[in-house]
Amino acid sequence: DIQMTQSPSSLSASVGDRVTITCQASQHISNSLNWYQQKPGKAPKLLIYDASNLETGVPSRFSGSGSGTDFTFTISSLQPEDIATYYCQQYDNLSYTFGQGTKLEIK
Amino acid sequence: QVQLVQSGAEVKKPGASVKVSCKASGYTFTSYYLHWVRQAPGQGLEWMGIISPGGGTTSHAQKFQGKVTMTRDTSTSTVYMELSSLRSEDTAVYYCARERTVDTAMFFDYWGQGTLVTVSS
Repeated sequence: DIQMTQSPSSLSASVGDRVTITCQASQHISNSLNWYQQKPGKAPKLLIYDASNLETGVPSRFSGSGSGTDFTFTISSLQPEDIATYYCQQYDNLSYTFGQGTKLEIK
Repeated sequence: QVQLVQSGAEVKKPGASVKVSCKASGYTFTSYYLHWVRQAPGQGLEWMGIISPGGGTTSHAQKFQGKVTMTRDTSTSTVYMELSSLRSEDTAVYYCARERTVDTAMFFDYWGQGTLVTVSS
């Protein structure tokens, strides 16, 4: 099975900061990588699909990049409502694996 | 609007089974695969399996071999996930999620509200 290594596991940043989270796949997955946001007590919400495509209705301060094994998720200017845990997720041949998550807090 | 509504919280004893339902509405039930994902308290997301509501075919993570059964009822647009031989480690929130595809991309675009299953003696 493909393993996803996400880092950091937690992150503290100030409002307005640029925030970056990385995700590394244990083998090549092309662009088959999604990013989700999960707030406490809620279901995850899709933000980015296919590595770099912004889901409809998601603010443009969220972006994703990467291909192959190395991927990056960026919030260009952190807002208070972005406090959540973020997960990457790969999909390959009926295998769907999530990263361990990054808990984002306001400094 | 698309909705996935799951059944309520359950408390089960070790060794028992639990069956969680996920009722879909707002779209053509048979046109989208549905997945099950679980989240243990304070932990990350874990993919469990997928069901095709149209044909009923399923696939699951190897970890759940012999433990999970996924079924569907097209007359009520509902999928079910049954977990057997429950252990304390199965205590988690269980989510159903709809798969959407765009070209070769696949992602979970709608999620149920989650069902807490607690396994305790």
